[in-house]
Amino acid sequence: NAGVTQTPKFQVLKTGQSMTLQCAQDMNHEYMSWYRQDPGMGLRLIHYSVGAGITDQGEVPNGYNVSRSTTEDFPLRLLSAAPSQTSVYFCASSSSVNTEAFFGQGTRLTVV
Amino acid sequence: EDKVVQSPLSLVVHEGDTVTLNCSYEVTNFRSLLWYKQEKKAPTFLFMLTSSGIEKKSGRLSSILDKKELFSILNITATQTGDSAVYLCAVVRRGYGQNFVFGPGTRLSVLP
Repeated sequence: NAGVTQTPKFQVLKTGQSMTLQCAQDMNHEYMSWYRQDPGMGLRLIHYSVGAGITDQGEVPNGYNVSRSTTEDFPLRLLSAAPSQTSVYFCASSSSVNTEAFFGQGTRLTVV
Repeated sequence: EDKVVQSPLSLVVHEGDTVTLNCSYEVTNFRSLLWYKQEKKAPTFLFMLTSSGIEKKSGRLSSILDKKELFSILNITATQTGDSAVYLCAVVRRGYGQNFVFGPGTRLSVLP
């Protein structure tokens, strides 16, 4: 049971480039979310999904897009990378609002 | 604006000490409060608290919630070097799926 898998683990982008951070879970969880973690600020919610085909914005959605075509996958797209998007990105999933969320190992993204 | 505050932000103790980590919150539509431990990468789940006054325990760790005063504490007794980590407090709000408002975390360092 792999849990929540994020790829890549590390990425360096140039300003203006686009890329997709992948997140997959094999636990048949309905709820999935993306967070970014910056020093001194904790984790902040970017986008979330409550099921296939349903997504919504979180606290810091600007510059990011998501889609949820399957239960398993929840990719995060950076449309035009900016240095302010340098961060560690975590994907999380859970089966219900009354259980804990499981986190992936994170993607460390640097935009130069 | 919903927010979660943790104190202290950083703490250094020696093995065998007992520590108390604090989490206070101002969140609309509170559902539950969770504690996570983050060592190097993915946060790992410790406790979920939904009711006031009911202590959750796991080995040397325990936690309790006060919904009237809007805070929670995480206690660690007889600390070990393996307890060194960042401890994250997160609140789940009703109506937002299973998504968190995180505090900034408390960095605990346990010296031998």
